[in-house]
Amino acid sequence: DAGVIQSPRHEVTEMGQEVTLRCKPISGHNSLFWYRQTMMRGLELLIYFNNNVPIDDSGMPEDRFSAKMPNASFSTLKIQPSEPRDSAVYFCASCGGANEKLFFGSGTQLSVL
Amino acid sequence: GESVGLHLPTLSVQEGDNSIINCAYSNSASDYFIWYKQESGKGPQFIIDIRSNMDKRQGQRVTVLLNKTVKHLSLQIAATQPGDSAVYFCAEKDGAGSYQLTFGKGTKLSVIP
Repeated sequence: DAGVIQSPRHEVTEMGQEVTLRCKPISGHNSLFWYRQTMMRGLELLIYFNNNVPIDDSGMPEDRFSAKMPNASFSTLKIQPSEPRDSAVYFCASCGGANEKLFFGSGTQLSVL
Repeated sequence: GESVGLHLPTLSVQEGDNSIINCAYSNSASDYFIWYKQESGKGPQFIIDIRSNMDKRQGQRVTVLLNKTVKHLSLQIAATQPGDSAVYFCAEKDGAGSYQLTFGKGTKLSVIP
């Protein structure tokens, strides 16, 4: 299995632009998570899905952030409009169940200028 | 141990020596704990996990110890190698059927050749 696949690996954009991050979970995993990592705050859970349904989005910082999971093999995290303080590494992770280990993708390094 | 503030605690170890990385967790209801390794530019990688009904678990060159009385977790790496240089995170999961992992701030391990 190729693991959790994220794209793009790097994204540089200007303030106010829309940013879309993409994730393909490991085949057969029914839970998908979006995390954000910064030096100041470490790894923060933004939102997670179970069987394509958003379960907990309390970590989504603002209405500018939205996430979708249209099917079991694809999810997006969108920021519109983006701001410099959104600059971070965004990770997608998936697991096969509540008592299963979490596998992370390689992340998207986002820089908002 | 876990960091407070901006700077990660750093552990420097001579190649071949054993390393011990500590983690204090806060939720007495947590029943599942994981150690992750994160190398520069990569996503967190699963190392070893332990459930709350155990106090020790061994893997290849790694051992996790759990002391529920004082809510303390440690990761021991035997015969540390340069490839072990990374940031190590402990993560805990609430036992109430939650999927959500809460991550510590991490400890940076530097192996001196």
